Amino acid sequence: EDKVVQSPLSLVVHEGDTVTLNCSYEVTNFRSLLWYKQEKKAPTFLFMLTSSGIEKKSGRLSSILDKKELFSILNITATQTGDSAVYLCAVVTSGTYKYIFGTGTRLKVLA
Amino acid sequence: NAGVTQTPKFQVLKTGQSMTLQCAQDMNHEYMSWYRQDPGMGLRLIHYSVGAGITDQGEVPNGYNVSRSTTEDFPLRLLSAAPSQTSVYFCASSPRLAGYNEQFFGPGTRLTVL
Repeated sequence: EDKVVQSPLSLVVHEGDTVTLNCSYEVTNFRSLLWYKQEKKAPTFLFMLTSSGIEKKSGRLSSILDKKELFSILNITATQTGDSAVYLCAVVTSGTYKYIFGTGTRLKVLA
Repeated sequence: NAGVTQTPKFQVLKTGQSMTLQCAQDMNHEYMSWYRQDPGMGLRLIHYSVGAGITDQGEVPNGYNVSRSTTEDFPLRLLSAAPSQTSVYFCASSPRLAGYNEQFFGPGTRLTVL
C-alpha cells in the first residue's frame, strides 16, 4: 500500500529559528513529490520535486528530494510568525492519477 | 480567472439527507479531484477525473458519487448523509495529468452532518 509519512507531527519554535520538516514515502512507481502550505484555508503550492539532489528554493524556503532513500525535506530559515501553518507533503505515482498526502506537520512560530 | 470555486462554503445536514457540493474551474484543466480533510489528518482523495466523461475512485469513495459532464464542473454528491461525513471538503484541479503539475485548490466547504 502506498504511504506518505511526515515528521514531526507538530513543532513549536521561536522567530529566527531554522526548521527542517521531513517527508518519507513508500510508493510504487514514483512520479513526483509536492509540498503545500495550509493556513486556515486551502493548501497553497510550495514546491514540486521530481529529481534527486536538486534543491528548489523560494526565499527562506528550500526543499530537496532523495529518491534512493525515499524522502524529502523542507527547510525554513529565519522563521517568522507568518510561517505558522500545516505543511503537507504529497506523492504522485506514475500510471495512477492520485496524489497521496501525508498527515502534515503543524508548525507554530512564536514571536 | 476565478480559479477553482466551491459552493456552498458551509452546510449543515441531517442524517439521511442528500446534497451536492459544487466545484467549478475556469482554467480549462483536465484533472479534477475531491478531498476530505478531518482534524489532525491530511487530505484523503474521494474521487477524481482525468477529463470530461471519465471519473474514478480514490481512497475513500463510499457514500459519494461524482460525474464530469463538462471540463469546468465536477460536482460531488452525498447520497444519504451520515455523521461520519462531517468534514471539510476541498476540490482541486490541475492542468494535465496528476504529478506533472501542481494542483490548485478551491476554498473548501465545511459540512456538518447532525
